[in-house]
Amino acid sequence: KQEVTQIPAALSVPEGENLVLNCSFTDSAIYNLQWFRQDPGKGLTSLLLIQSSQREQTSGRLNASLDKSSGRSTLYIAASQPGDSATYLCALREDNFNKFYFGSGTKLNVKP
Amino acid sequence: DTEVTQTPKHLVMGMTNKKSLKCEQHMGHRAMYWYKQKAKKPPELMFVYSYEKLSINESVPSRFSPECPNSSLLNLHLHALQPEDSALYLCASSQRVASTDTQYFGPGTRLTVL
Repeated sequence: KQEVTQIPAALSVPEGENLVLNCSFTDSAIYNLQWFRQDPGKGLTSLLLIQSSQREQTSGRLNASLDKSSGRSTLYIAASQPGDSATYLCALREDNFNKFYFGSGTKLNVKP
Repeated sequence: DTEVTQTPKHLVMGMTNKKSLKCEQHMGHRAMYWYKQKAKKPPELMFVYSYEKLSINESVPSRFSPECPNSSLLNLHLHALQPEDSALYLCASSQRVASTDTQYFGPGTRLTVL
């Protein structure tokens, strides 16, 4: 059974710092992997989607990478801002059915 | 318009009550989802509807009853819930159930069962 792990569970950094969030998975036969952010008590907002054939995706200050062979994905956030404070979830799909396996999330706090 | 709306935002109910959660989207999506999220945990998939037909029921207790009356609307009927059912209930939609299609999430309904 696929297991998705995110480390650390919580992270606090000063504003302006570059940071990396980690996501690991046990079964490398994935279809794609997606990073979401969730603000407290709110729904999920999609950040980046990486197909299994891709190595990375970029959007603004965010860069997500995927290494299927090692079962890892990272989300790089450049020049962090207080508005980046949220919980970041990685989620993957194993086949062409829209069912996610979610990690437990990393709660990020960016201090002004 | 990439919005999924959910009503109510908050709901408090007793164990003997019957209530319903509502989810609506007008993006022409034909796949809709219900998730349950407990505090500090990731969302757990409950139900998936594809073209108004139930595709997946993740072994959810029968006290939760989903309904998809049309392609824009998804309901979750609640009856005889337990306090442990208190959670954030999230609805999502996507073009289809294909994994290449982005799921758009609503803001959720915060449910408290007394």
